[in-house]
Amino acid sequence: DGGITQSPKYLFRKEGQNVTLSCEQNLNHDAMYWYRQDPGQGLRLIYYSQIVNDFQKGDIAEGYSVSREKKESFPLTVTSAQKNPTAFYLCASSIGTSREQYFGPGTRLTVT
Amino acid sequence: AQTVTQSQPEMSVQEAETVTLSCTYDTSENNYYLFWYKQPPSRQMILVIRQEAYKQQNATENRFSVNFQKAAKSFSLKISDSQLGDTAMYFCAFTYTGTASKLTFGTGTRLQVTL
Repeated sequence: DGGITQSPKYLFRKEGQNVTLSCEQNLNHDAMYWYRQDPGQGLRLIYYSQIVNDFQKGDIAEGYSVSREKKESFPLTVTSAQKNPTAFYLCASSIGTSREQYFGPGTRLTVT
Repeated sequence: AQTVTQSQPEMSVQEAETVTLSCTYDTSENNYYLFWYKQPPSRQMILVIRQEAYKQQNATENRFSVNFQKAAKSFSLKISDSQLGDTAMYFCAFTYTGTASKLTFGTGTRLQVTL
Protein backbone atom coordinates (compact mmCIF):
# COMPACT_ATOMS: atom_id res chain seq x y z
CA ASP A 1 0.00 0.00 0.00
CA GLY A 2 1.89 3.06 -1.27
CA GLY A 3 1.86 6.36 0.51
CA ILE A 4 3.54 8.92 2.70
CA THR A 5 3.82 8.52 6.43
CA GLN A 6 4.62 11.18 8.98
CA SER A 7 5.26 10.53 12.61
CA PRO A 8 4.28 11.36 15.18
CA LYS A 9 0.86 12.90 14.61
CA TYR A 10 1.23 15.18 17.64
CA LEU A 11 4.50 16.36 19.09
CA PHE A 12 5.17 18.47 22.16
CA ARG A 13 8.48 20.08 23.02
CA LYS A 14 9.90 22.62 25.38
CA GLU A 15 11.28 25.85 24.03
CA GLY A 16 14.98 25.63 23.28
CA GLN A 17 14.94 21.98 22.22
CA ASN A 18 15.56 20.75 18.71
CA VAL A 19 12.98 18.32 17.37
CA THR A 20 12.98 16.08 14.28
CA LEU A 21 9.86 15.27 12.29
CA SER A 22 9.83 12.09 10.28
CA CYS A 23 8.65 11.70 6.68
CA GLU A 24 8.82 8.45 4.73
CA GLN A 25 7.43 7.57 1.30
CA ASN A 26 7.25 4.31 -0.62
CA LEU A 27 5.97 5.82 -3.86
CA ASN A 28 9.43 5.83 -5.44
CA HIS A 29 9.14 9.58 -5.89
CA ASP A 30 12.29 11.57 -6.52
CA ALA A 31 11.16 14.89 -5.06
CA MET A 32 10.12 15.56 -1.48
CA TYR A 33 8.93 18.70 0.29
CA TRP A 34 8.24 20.15 3.71
CA TYR A 35 5.51 22.73 4.29
CA ARG A 36 4.34 24.66 7.27
CA GLN A 37 0.68 25.59 7.77
CA ASP A 38 -0.48 28.15 10.30
CA PRO A 39 -4.14 28.74 11.22
CA GLY A 40 -6.08 30.51 8.50
CA GLN A 41 -3.18 30.42 6.10
CA GLY A 42 -2.08 28.39 3.15
CA LEU A 43 1.01 26.25 2.93
CA ARG A 44 4.47 27.74 2.97
CA LEU A 45 7.44 25.83 1.64
CA ILE A 46 10.30 25.20 4.07
CA TYR A 47 12.67 22.93 2.12
CA TYR A 48 12.53 20.65 -0.86
CA SER A 49 14.72 17.97 -2.35
CA GLN A 50 14.79 16.83 -5.95
CA ILE A 51 17.22 13.95 -5.51
CA VAL A 52 19.12 12.13 -2.80
CA ASN A 53 21.86 14.15 -1.08
CA ASP A 54 20.54 17.41 -2.50
CA PHE A 55 18.02 19.92 -1.12
CA GLN A 56 17.11 23.57 -1.51
CA LYS A 57 15.69 26.20 0.78
CA GLY A 58 12.10 27.21 0.33
CA ASP A 59 10.45 30.44 1.35
CA ILE A 60 10.81 30.07 5.13
CA ALA A 61 13.91 27.92 5.73
CA GLU A 62 15.34 29.91 8.64
CA GLY A 63 15.43 27.86 11.83
CA TYR A 64 14.95 24.54 10.01
CA SER A 65 17.29 21.90 8.64
CA VAL A 66 16.81 18.76 6.52
CA SER A 67 18.72 15.79 5.18
CA ARG A 68 18.10 13.43 2.26
CA GLU A 69 20.32 10.41 2.70
CA LYS A 70 17.78 7.99 1.27
CA LYS A 71 15.21 8.39 -1.48
CA GLU A 72 12.44 7.29 0.86
CA SER A 73 13.19 9.60 3.76
CA PHE A 74 13.27 13.37 4.24
CA PRO A 75 13.40 14.29 7.95
CA LEU A 76 12.91 17.87 9.09
CA THR A 77 14.62 19.28 12.17
CA VAL A 78 13.05 22.27 13.84
CA THR A 79 15.88 23.97 15.67
CA SER A 80 15.79 26.25 18.68
CA ALA A 81 16.53 29.12 16.29
CA GLN A 82 13.02 28.89 14.83
CA LYS A 83 11.18 31.71 16.58
CA ASN A 84 7.62 30.42 16.19
CA PRO A 85 7.82 26.66 15.74
CA THR A 86 4.27 25.78 16.81
CA ALA A 87 2.46 24.85 13.60
CA PHE A 88 1.14 22.02 11.47
CA TYR A 89 3.84 20.47 9.29
CA LEU A 90 3.10 18.64 6.07
CA CYS A 91 5.43 16.50 4.04
CA ALA A 92 4.82 15.81 0.36
CA SER A 93 6.41 14.00 -2.54
CA SER A 94 6.14 14.01 -6.31
CA ILE A 95 7.53 12.05 -9.25
CA GLY A 96 9.50 15.14 -10.19
CA THR A 97 9.25 18.82 -9.57
CA SER A 98 6.57 20.63 -11.54
CA ARG A 99 4.17 17.78 -10.97
CA GLU A 100 1.33 17.16 -8.57
CA GLN A 101 2.38 16.50 -5.02
CA TYR A 102 0.99 13.89 -2.68
CA PHE A 103 0.85 14.67 1.00
CA GLY A 104 1.31 12.85 4.25
CA PRO A 105 -1.15 13.18 7.14
CA GLY A 106 0.91 15.90 8.87
CA THR A 107 2.45 16.48 12.29
CA ARG A 108 1.11 19.00 14.73
CA LEU A 109 4.05 20.46 16.67
CA THR A 110 3.45 22.42 19.85
CA VAL A 111 6.36 24.16 21.56
CA THR A 112 5.81 25.69 25.00
CA ALA B 1 7.19 35.46 -8.81
CA GLN B 2 3.93 33.61 -9.05
CA THR B 3 0.98 34.55 -6.87
CA VAL B 4 -2.29 32.71 -6.36
CA THR B 5 -5.36 34.51 -5.06
CA GLN B 6 -8.49 32.99 -3.62
CA SER B 7 -10.86 35.84 -2.88
CA GLN B 8 -13.55 33.84 -1.09
CA PRO B 9 -12.43 32.98 2.45
CA GLU B 10 -15.65 31.08 3.20
CA MET B 11 -18.55 29.68 1.23
CA SER B 12 -21.61 27.64 2.01
CA VAL B 13 -23.73 25.39 -0.18
CA GLN B 14 -26.67 23.12 0.40
CA GLU B 15 -26.36 19.42 -0.18
CA ALA B 16 -27.01 18.43 -3.81
CA GLU B 17 -26.47 21.99 -5.04
CA THR B 18 -23.61 23.30 -7.17
CA VAL B 19 -20.92 25.67 -5.96
CA THR B 20 -18.02 27.41 -7.70
CA LEU B 21 -14.79 28.39 -5.97
CA SER B 22 -12.68 31.13 -7.54
CA CYS B 23 -8.95 31.28 -8.10
CA THR B 24 -6.82 33.74 -10.01
CA TYR B 25 -3.09 33.62 -10.51
CA ASP B 26 -0.38 35.82 -11.83
CA THR B 27 2.54 34.57 -13.84
CA SER B 28 4.67 35.50 -16.79
CA GLU B 29 5.23 31.86 -17.67
CA ASN B 30 3.41 30.15 -20.50
CA ASN B 31 3.79 26.52 -19.46
CA TYR B 32 2.48 25.54 -16.07
CA TYR B 33 0.13 23.34 -14.10
CA LEU B 34 -2.76 24.30 -11.87
CA PHE B 35 -4.26 22.19 -9.11
CA TRP B 36 -7.07 22.15 -6.62
CA TYR B 37 -6.41 20.47 -3.30
CA LYS B 38 -8.94 19.62 -0.62
CA GLN B 39 -8.12 19.66 3.10
CA PRO B 40 -10.93 18.12 5.19
CA PRO B 41 -11.02 18.42 8.99
CA SER B 42 -8.51 15.56 9.20
CA ARG B 43 -6.06 18.05 7.61
CA GLN B 44 -4.89 15.52 5.03
CA MET B 45 -4.24 17.35 1.75
CA ILE B 46 -5.95 15.55 -1.12
CA LEU B 47 -5.45 16.30 -4.79
CA VAL B 48 -8.83 17.00 -6.38
CA ILE B 49 -7.99 17.94 -9.95
CA ARG B 50 -5.16 19.17 -12.16
CA GLN B 51 -5.01 21.22 -15.33
CA GLU B 52 -2.13 21.60 -17.77
CA ALA B 53 -1.91 25.12 -19.18
CA TYR B 54 -1.33 23.89 -22.72
CA LYS B 55 -4.64 22.02 -22.74
CA GLN B 56 -7.66 24.04 -23.77
CA GLN B 57 -10.09 21.41 -22.54
CA ASN B 58 -11.20 21.87 -18.96
CA ALA B 59 -10.32 19.04 -16.60
CA THR B 60 -13.08 16.97 -15.02
CA GLU B 61 -13.03 14.42 -12.22
CA ASN B 62 -16.46 13.01 -11.45
CA ARG B 63 -18.40 15.81 -9.70
CA PHE B 64 -15.46 18.22 -9.86
CA SER B 65 -14.67 20.31 -12.90
CA VAL B 66 -12.69 23.44 -13.62
CA ASN B 67 -13.19 26.51 -15.74
CA PHE B 68 -9.73 27.40 -16.96
CA GLN B 69 -9.44 30.79 -18.61
CA LYS B 70 -5.78 31.19 -19.52
CA ALA B 71 -5.98 34.72 -20.87
CA ALA B 72 -7.80 35.90 -17.78
CA LYS B 73 -5.53 33.80 -15.52
CA SER B 74 -8.54 32.31 -13.84
CA PHE B 75 -9.01 28.75 -12.60
CA SER B 76 -12.30 28.14 -10.83
CA LEU B 77 -13.50 24.85 -9.36
CA LYS B 78 -17.09 23.71 -9.76
CA ILE B 79 -18.48 21.09 -7.42
CA SER B 80 -21.73 19.56 -8.61
CA ASP B 81 -24.21 17.64 -6.46
CA SER B 82 -22.42 18.76 -3.30
CA GLN B 83 -22.10 16.20 -0.54
CA LEU B 84 -21.51 16.58 3.18
CA GLY B 85 -18.10 15.00 2.67
CA ASP B 86 -17.10 17.91 0.47
CA THR B 87 -16.90 20.12 3.56
CA ALA B 88 -13.25 21.18 3.66
CA MET B 89 -10.71 23.86 2.92
CA TYR B 90 -9.95 24.08 -0.77
CA PHE B 91 -6.60 25.35 -1.98
CA CYS B 92 -5.71 26.42 -5.48
CA ALA B 93 -2.06 25.84 -6.40
CA PHE B 94 0.26 26.68 -9.27
CA THR B 95 3.57 25.37 -10.54
CA TYR B 96 5.43 26.16 -13.70
CA THR B 97 7.18 23.48 -15.68
CA GLY B 98 10.72 24.45 -14.81
CA THR B 99 13.22 21.95 -13.49
CA ALA B 100 13.28 23.42 -10.01
CA SER B 101 9.71 24.48 -9.67
CA LYS B 102 7.57 24.28 -6.59
CA LEU B 103 3.92 24.70 -5.74
CA THR B 104 2.57 28.11 -4.83
CA PHE B 105 -0.67 27.92 -2.86
CA GLY B 106 -3.52 30.32 -2.39
CA THR B 107 -4.82 31.06 1.11
CA GLY B 108 -7.78 28.73 0.72
CA THR B 109 -11.57 28.79 0.70
CA ARG B 110 -13.46 27.15 3.52
CA LEU B 111 -16.49 25.33 2.09
CA GLN B 112 -19.35 24.23 4.31
CA VAL B 113 -21.93 21.86 2.87
CA THR B 114 -25.21 21.99 4.77
CA LEU B 115 -28.34 19.85 4.85
